[in-house]
Amino acid sequence: GDSVTQMEGPVTLSEEAFLTINCTYTATGYPSLFWYVQYPGEGLQLLLKATKADDKGSNKGFEATYRKETTSFHLEKGSVQVSDSAVYFCALRDDKIIFGKGTRLHILP
Amino acid sequence: EAQVTQNPRYLITVTGKKLTVTCSQNMNHEYMSWYRQDPGLGLRQIYYSMNVEVTDKGDVPEGYKVSRKEKRNFPLILESPSPNQTSLYFCASSPGQASSYEQYFGPGTRLTVT
Repeated sequence: GDSVTQMEGPVTLSEEAFLTINCTYTATGYPSLFWYVQYPGEGLQLLLKATKADDKGSNKGFEATYRKETTSFHLEKGSVQVSDSAVYFCALRDDKIIFGKGTRLHILP
Repeated sequence: EAQVTQNPRYLITVTGKKLTVTCSQNMNHEYMSWYRQDPGLGLRQIYYSMNVEVTDKGDVPEGYKVSRKEKRNFPLILESPSPNQTSLYFCASSPGQASSYEQYFGPGTRLTVT
């Protein structure tokens, strides 16, 4: 069946560092891919998405490219801020909706 | 404001005492679902509904019931809660079931069953 695997956390970085959170997927169809972010005490909210191969989603300085050849959707940001501290979830949606286990990100000032 | 609301936000109860967590959305969305979030396990889907009177099991439906009598509401019912249902619960909605639609999440309900 479909699945999503993302790097385990926590990930701790200093402010202004470069961020990569890896996400790979397996799917039998042609899913859309999503990154959601969960700030402390809140529900998940959409960060970015891509609906077909080679699409790039971007928002708030974050980017991710839908790579069908490597079945990946890695999240990147060039310069993180303390306010980016949160839990990040990679997800796919096809016939089903599948979430990764989440990656907790800590940014130190 | 477009939103998904859940009530209560926090609930402590005892084993076996029936409870209902309400979920409502004001976006006229067709698709709604319930998830539980547990440490190390991420989000797991409990039940989903593609439209009024249409519900189906997700990955972890045991011990839960749902109903969808109106488009905006999708309550989660625990007929006889047990301690292993202690978790953080999220309701979510999306315009439809197409894969391109993102989900809109409620703020969560933290349930403790003693």
